[in-house]
Amino acid sequence: SQTIHQWPATLVQPVGSPLSLECTVEGTSNPNLYWYRQAAGRGLQLLFYSVGIGQISSEVPQNLSASRPQDRQFILSSKKLLLSDSGFYLCAWSWRAGGYNEQFFGPGTRLTVL
Amino acid sequence: GDSVTQMEGPVTLSEEAFLTINCTYTATGYPSLFWYVQYPGEGLQLLLKATKADDKGSNKGFEATYRKETTSFHLEKGSVQVSDSAVYFCALIGMDSNYQLIWGAGTKLIIKP
Repeated sequence: SQTIHQWPATLVQPVGSPLSLECTVEGTSNPNLYWYRQAAGRGLQLLFYSVGIGQISSEVPQNLSASRPQDRQFILSSKKLLLSDSGFYLCAWSWRAGGYNEQFFGPGTRLTVL
Repeated sequence: GDSVTQMEGPVTLSEEAFLTINCTYTATGYPSLFWYVQYPGEGLQLLLKATKADDKGSNKGFEATYRKETTSFHLEKGSVQVSDSAVYFCALIGMDSNYQLIWGAGTKLIIKP
């Protein structure tokens, strides 16, 4: 079966510090991978998605970036965090094969920028 | 472009009440439709899905029927429990969404004992 991991689970960082959140998927190959942000009491905002190693599509311009160094690893980064970066960050994967495939979510990382 | 509209919350019900959370969509052709649930402090879980018109998705006592004629996918449950308290998201994937999930804003459900 497939599992998706995210870490850390919670993170408190000062403004201006760097960020690295990691997501890994087990039990599948060539997945599509996604990063979402959910602000408190709000819906989901798609930040990045990837259809393969080194292939990243950005949905929202901001001070965040994403990388996919391995097939089942997806990393969200920032060089300098802003207060507005606080939120709940969710990683998800879906089957690469054609069709309208649902996404499967990790447990999330709660980021607080002070 | 494709879009999903959910009823605004929070929705507050007593235990054992009947639940309906409305969801309507705009999309070209025949998208796939989903309901996800997010329990407090957790990630999202797929609750149910339907991939063609008149399909009924069901799971954990929840049901939703894909209605092409009304472009709706309303979530229902006959008797809710306190443990159903969560945020529920309606979503679709269609041709025009480039195979990305298009999300509703979410509806917070509060069940009181």
